[in-house]
Amino acid sequence: LAKTTQPISMDSYEGQEVNITCSHNNIATNDYITWYQQFPSQGPRFIIQGYKTKVTNEVASLFIPADRKSSTLSLPRVSLSDTAVYYCLVGPGAGSYQLTFGKGTKLSVIP
Amino acid sequence: KAGVTQTPRYLIKTRGQQVTLSCSPISGHRSVSWYQQTPGQGLQFLFEYFSETQRNKGNFPGRFSGRQFSNSRSEMNVSTLELGDSALYLCASSPGGTGNVEQYFGPGTRLTVT
Repeated sequence: LAKTTQPISMDSYEGQEVNITCSHNNIATNDYITWYQQFPSQGPRFIIQGYKTKVTNEVASLFIPADRKSSTLSLPRVSLSDTAVYYCLVGPGAGSYQLTFGKGTKLSVIP
Repeated sequence: KAGVTQTPRYLIKTRGQQVTLSCSPISGHRSVSWYQQTPGQGLQFLFEYFSETQRNKGNFPGRFSGRQFSNSRSEMNVSTLELGDSALYLCASSPGGTGNVEQYFGPGTRLTVT
């Protein structure tokens, strides 16, 4: 399984766009990139998943360059409720039920 | 649709005892996975069940076991509890088919071993 590297923590003011970058140099051809969000004392929640280029949903965008060795989760106009730990996961998309979580990035949104 | 439910939410046990945790997946989901979360080790995969069969297993000792019933509900058992087993135990469910999978996590069971 590809190892991921993300910043341990980030601070942002309310209303700003936040970009969290994840490095995954050893990503395999059939690997997908998935981001989860976790609030204290709760289970992680799926945010977004992608394979290449750009993926956007109602809460976030995921940017993946052509070499796929990194990816960036973009959260537009964050609010205090976005304060959480964000995990970048890399693994086989098809039939992958064993998620490998790294340390994650603790995002603190400041009023 | 109701989410993943886990019972109990909190549990206090004594070292050497055993414990059973329960997980009810989202209706229609056939895959159930279990994870252990501790401040030191983070989130670690325990095992995954699909159609009553263990399909994947993480790197945990044999004291950790599980099972899945025909209605997809799953239980996890830890025998001979150790202090280091204190953790948040999370259950996640997914439809279980092939292709990209989004896992839906429950709120977890907070186990404290004294």
